[in-house]
Amino acid sequence: GESVGLHLPTLSVQEGDNSIINCAYSNSASDYFIWYKQESGKGPQFIIDIRSNMDKRQGQRVTVLLNKTVKHLSLQIAATQPGDSAVYFCAEKEGYSGGGADGLTFGKGTHLIIQP
Amino acid sequence: NAGVTQTPKFQVLKTGQSMTLQCAQDMNHEYMSWYRQDPGMGLRLIHYSVGAGITDQGEVPNGYNVSRSTTEDFPLRLLSAAPSQTSVYFCASSPFSSYNSPLHFGNGTRLTVT
Repeated sequence: GESVGLHLPTLSVQEGDNSIINCAYSNSASDYFIWYKQESGKGPQFIIDIRSNMDKRQGQRVTVLLNKTVKHLSLQIAATQPGDSAVYFCAEKEGYSGGGADGLTFGKGTHLIIQP
Repeated sequence: NAGVTQTPKFQVLKTGQSMTLQCAQDMNHEYMSWYRQDPGMGLRLIHYSVGAGITDQGEVPNGYNVSRSTTEDFPLRLLSAAPSQTSVYFCASSPFSSYNSPLHFGNGTRLTVT
C-alpha cells in the first residue's frame, strides 16, 4: 500500500536557526495531514495540521506547507530552541476513510538535533 | 485535564505470561486505538474502537485482544507474551464525529518480554 515517509532520519541545526523537516507522501487520496513531536520517553504530541484545501498554515513558531502537486509536506520551526529537540512525525489521512483517526498512517520520523 | 493515561509505564514479562495494558481517557472521545512503536518501523496500529462495544483489527493484531465496555477505557491484553512483542505501546484517542481530528496520545508503556 501507499505510505508516508521522511527524506532524512536526522536533522542537525544550530540553536536560533530555522528548521525545515520534510515529508513525502504517495497517496493522492490523502486530504488531511498532521505533524507530531515526540520527546524522549513520551508519546507523540500534536503540533499542527492542515487540510488539502490549504497550502500553508501557521501556528506559534511553526508553519506547515503542503504541495499537493509533488505530494510534499514540510514543517518549518522558527528560531529553533533546545526544547525543540525531538523526533518529528508526519501523518496522513485518506480522504475516503471514516471519522476520527480512521485511515491515519504515520511516517517513520526525523530526529531533530539542536546544536548549541 | 489528564488526557490519555496509560499504566503501567514499564513492564517486564517472561515468555508465555499474560498481562493487560490499561488505557483511559477523560475527553469523551469515541475513537480509541493502540499502536506499537519499534525502531525503524514507526507507529503500527494494533486494534482500534470507534465506540463502546465496537472494536476492530488494525495492521498488526495477532497476539493481542481488546475490549471496549465503556467510552473511557480501552485495555489491551497480551494472552501469551512473546519476545517479538517487546516494544513501546501507545494508546490514543480522538473524536469520531469530527472527520478530521488529530489523535491524542498517552505517554506509553515500555514492555520487555524475555
